[in-house]
Amino acid sequence: NAGVTQTPKFQVLKTGQSMTLQCAQDMNHNSMYWYRQDPGMGLRLIYYSASEGTTDKGEVPNGYNVSRLNKREFSLRLESAAPSQTSVYFCASSEQGGGVTDTQYFGPGTRLTVL
Amino acid sequence: GNSVTQMEGPVTLSEEAFLTINCTYTATGYPSLFWYVQYPGEGLQLLLKATKADDKGSNKGFEATYRKETTSFHLEKGSVQVSDSAVYFCALIFKAAGNKLTFGGGTRVLVKP
Repeated sequence: NAGVTQTPKFQVLKTGQSMTLQCAQDMNHNSMYWYRQDPGMGLRLIYYSASEGTTDKGEVPNGYNVSRLNKREFSLRLESAAPSQTSVYFCASSEQGGGVTDTQYFGPGTRLTVL
Repeated sequence: GNSVTQMEGPVTLSEEAFLTINCTYTATGYPSLFWYVQYPGEGLQLLLKATKADDKGSNKGFEATYRKETTSFHLEKGSVQVSDSAVYFCALIFKAAGNKLTFGGGTRVLVKP
């Protein structure tokens, strides 16, 4: 099993450009998540999908959109990138749809720089 | 709201030293508590977890005990190795908060030979 995979690994954008970050999991998990990681701030939830066909906003959703394409795939789109979106983005998945004992499994991350 | 506070790093140690990383939380109830570890260039991995008061999570020589009275979940290891150099994140998940993980800011640990 590959676990959680993310593409691309690195990306540089100019302000105003758009891009989509791709995430896929092969563990048959119900829930998927997008986080951003900024120095000293831990991980902050952008959007999540508790199950196929549903998406909800997290702590910092502004400037992002998501699509749960099917059970395996969950993409994150930046429509008009801004320098404040320079960050490392992590995708994660979990089995139970967010139960209190749920373990999240993380991808390797995408390092995004917006100039 | 719910929050997690970790000691700031970096923490620099010599090999075989004792490691403690403090973690305290604020939550109106009884969350489940986690420690995640991020090795250089990688995503986060679950290190250990505890789901109720007085539970002890353990893995790879690391331990943490869920202390309800002090709202803490401190991470300890008796003898660290160079391979333990990483960033460690304390986190909680709380049913009343929609079962979403809340992370602390992370503590970078550097172990020197």
